[in-house]
Amino acid sequence: ETGVTQSPTHLIKTRGQQVTLRCSSQSGHNTVSWYQQALGQGPQFIFQYYREEENGRGNFPPRFSGLQFPNYSSELNVNALELDDSALYLCASSSIRLGTRASYEQYFGPGTRLTVT
Amino acid sequence: GQNIDQPTEMTATEGAIVQINCTYQTSGFNGLFWYQQHAGEAPTFLSYNVLDGLEEKGRFSSFLSRSKGYSYLLLKELQMKDSASYLCAVRSLNSGGYQKVTFGTGTKLQVIP
Repeated sequence: ETGVTQSPTHLIKTRGQQVTLRCSSQSGHNTVSWYQQALGQGPQFIFQYYREEENGRGNFPPRFSGLQFPNYSSELNVNALELDDSALYLCASSSIRLGTRASYEQYFGPGTRLTVT
Repeated sequence: GQNIDQPTEMTATEGAIVQINCTYQTSGFNGLFWYQQHAGEAPTFLSYNVLDGLEEKGRFSSFLSRSKGYSYLLLKELQMKDSASYLCAVRSLNSGGYQKVTFGTGTKLQVIP
């Protein structure tokens, strides 16, 4: 168990709706990344937050947005849901500490399975 | 853009050694990760390479050659529980320090008795 939690575990939404997914990072971690994983595919990087600011983004449209809070928990918001947004959404936390390799270990939560109908 | 290639599937025998290759093309390379993912579960961190050479961690080793855009994950003394997908992922940085992580589609390893 990594100490990274996500909620909810499963969610069903209708096309056009909005959804908010939540992630609590492992204690002491200051960085969180979000990924979308379709069945049979590798995770696709959505964005990364470090100390409450976005410092990395993949090829996802602006309707995918996020927040990181002072306690390093995070939210992923998706507006105007489309059928293709159905996937497993993973968050991963890590702690960026200069000069140590351990700063690059990334721990994934169990994911939220989103189904858009 | 970024491109990562790894074999789709591999089969190996319990107790044997298997090598899973990964090739990549990227600008601003800033490290390569290997993850293990069992069906229906989240990925688990295995290794991180940013400099050329071999990193060993128990039964798992990972190698990186930055000049060749090549990495491999070596699994020794295979066990049945090693049956899983193995994901190669590359981190890159642009000039502004903005980073991106790209995963390959994963190699599904089946260990047989």
